[in-house]
Amino acid sequence: EIVLTQSPATLSLSPGERATLSCRASQSVSSYLAWYQEKPGQAPRLLIYDTSNRATGIPDRFSGSGSGTDFTLTISSLEPEDFAVYYCQQRSNWPPTFGQGTKLEIK
Amino acid sequence: EVQLLESGGGLVQPGGSLRLSCAASGFTFSSNEMSWVRQAPGKGREWVSGISSSGGSPYYADSVKGRFTISRDNSKNTLYLQMDSLRVEDTAVYYCAKGKYRSGWLIDNWGQGTLVTVSS
Repeated sequence: EIVLTQSPATLSLSPGERATLSCRASQSVSSYLAWYQEKPGQAPRLLIYDTSNRATGIPDRFSGSGSGTDFTLTISSLEPEDFAVYYCQQRSNWPPTFGQGTKLEIK
Repeated sequence: EVQLLESGGGLVQPGGSLRLSCAASGFTFSSNEMSWVRQAPGKGREWVSGISSSGGSPYYADSVKGRFTISRDNSKNTLYLQMDSLRVEDTAVYYCAKGKYRSGWLIDNWGQGTLVTVSS
């Protein structure tokens, strides 16, 4: 199965700063890479799918890029509600797999 | 509003069986792939099984193949997971997950989960 490795494990930033999260796949997933945001006690929220497409209702400060094995989620200017855990997920090969997550915390 | 309501979790002994159900509402159930995803204590989320919109194509993780059976009843808007020969390592919260329309295993809605505990 495809292993997704996210970095860093924890990212400490302040509101207004730019966040850059990375996801690396053990083999090519083409463009079939998604990003989810998860907050305590809530279901994961789909942010970005197929590398760079924002899901319905997602603000344009969230953007995704990459291809093949290397992908990036960028949050251009952090809002207080953006501090959460972010997961990447591939659906290129069965089984779909998730990364282990990056915790974005307030500095 | 999409709602996915899981039921059927509980405590079972190793080797036992459970049947999970997921009652779906708020969307055209027969149009979407559906999945079961689990999260064991202290671990990441693991895809367990998925099924096509028609129910004709089930998929399983290697860890559950031959023991779990996914099915759906589109007339009842319900997804099922029959779990047999349960092992201690199957202990987890099991989530029902809705695939984004025509996007296969891309999840756009999750249930709240049901806890399965396998222990003697």
